[in-house]
Amino acid sequence: DAGVIQSPRHEVTEMGQEVTLRCKPISGHDYLFWYRQTMMRGLELLIYFNNNVPIDDSGMPEDRFSAKMPNASFSTLKIQPSEPRDSAVYFCASSLDPGEGKLFFGSGTQLSVL
Amino acid sequence: EDQVTQSPEALRLQEGESSSLNCSYTVSGLRGLFWYRQDPGKGPEFLFTLYSAGEEKEKERLKATLTKKESFLHITAPKPEDSATYLCAVQAGDSWGKLQFGAGTQVVVTP
Repeated sequence: DAGVIQSPRHEVTEMGQEVTLRCKPISGHDYLFWYRQTMMRGLELLIYFNNNVPIDDSGMPEDRFSAKMPNASFSTLKIQPSEPRDSAVYFCASSLDPGEGKLFFGSGTQLSVL
Repeated sequence: EDQVTQSPEALRLQEGESSSLNCSYTVSGLRGLFWYRQDPGKGPEFLFTLYSAGEEKEKERLKATLTKKESFLHITAPKPEDSATYLCAVQAGDSWGKLQFGAGTQVVVTP
């Protein structure tokens, strides 16, 4: 398996623009997570899905952020409108059983909002 | 409020110089404590799961231990390829599926 695949690897955009980050989880993994990593706040959980259904979105910063999982092999995280403070590395991770703490992370999307 | 604190923030070691990283936690009903390794430009990579005090896990030069208040990651005779940021995460009893990560310890091993 190729692992968790994220695209794009880098995104540079201007304040106010819409940004869409994409993720393909490992086949067979029922859980999908979106994390954000910054120097100031470290790794923060934004939202996670189980069998394509959002389970906990309490980490989503505000209404500008939305996430979808239309099928078992694809998820998106959208920011509209984007702001400079959204600049961070966004990671997608998938898991068979998060109770074991074993998440498989993608390589991340480095987002810069100017 | 649940807290995960890692120390030191950074550690510079000579090749072969053993050391330990600390992860102290305050969590309501610990379900599990987990160690990850993160290389620059990559996502975290899972290393260990620890569930109860007294438990130990080993993998090559790494050994993780757990007490009721903290966990240690011991690096024995490190090599340059052990250079990475090591992250500790906890899962609280009322937060199944959600990992709370510490800020990490950046380890550099020089030849």
